Amino acid sequence: GAGVSQSPSNKVTEKGKDVELRCDPISGHTALYWYRQRLGQGLEFLIYFQGNSAPDKSGLPSDRFSAERTGESVSTLTIQRTQQEDSAVYLCASSVDRVTGELFFGEGSRLTVL
Amino acid sequence: AQTVTQSQPEMSVQEAETVTLSCTYDTSESDYYLFWYKQPPSRQMILVIRQEAYKQQNATENRFSVNFQKAAKSFSLKISDSQLGDAAMYFCAYRSRNTPLVFGKGTRLSVIA
Repeated sequence: GAGVSQSPSNKVTEKGKDVELRCDPISGHTALYWYRQRLGQGLEFLIYFQGNSAPDKSGLPSDRFSAERTGESVSTLTIQRTQQEDSAVYLCASSVDRVTGELFFGEGSRLTVL
Repeated sequence: AQTVTQSQPEMSVQEAETVTLSCTYDTSESDYYLFWYKQPPSRQMILVIRQEAYKQQNATENRFSVNFQKAAKSFSLKISDSQLGDAAMYFCAYRSRNTPLVFGKGTRLSVIA
């Protein structure tokens, strides 16, 4: 597609349920990032993928959070046993390369945990 | 760890006037990139301008320009001839070979007609 695509756009779930968020990056972009943005806050780095290298998971807040990416295609961010504090917008971005390429962002998935 | 600080949670500007948004950062690296992103209510993050640390010349993109002071670790954004469409959250960000893109907490800019 022309841009980074994320789904679902909005997700409401009950506390304790698992959720999966999907990101479809721009074709040919080797780098993919996940960020979390709480209401009125800045963006918190979660995880980064670069080609076939081991992902940088240093930003994941707990072991309830995990992400996968197959090659240079779609990525899924999974949150297990969701908590109310997980409510946020989850933004995905992709870039041509790790350092110099501009990051292109999707519109995000808004997660609300009741 | 690299940190980015935006000390102005909110700013306002009259239409057609000029406004400057502040950003400072902390790093021990010498080679890095700095960015300003705009986030309108639609949530889409849009790159406004970028600056390579090795370049002394300040970046300019139409009405947007930066004042990059490497020694002071300062990277401010100047918006000239402000327009209603400039109203948004603005985030300063830092990136390097060893650091993924790190954002400040943002400045909410209002444009008054």
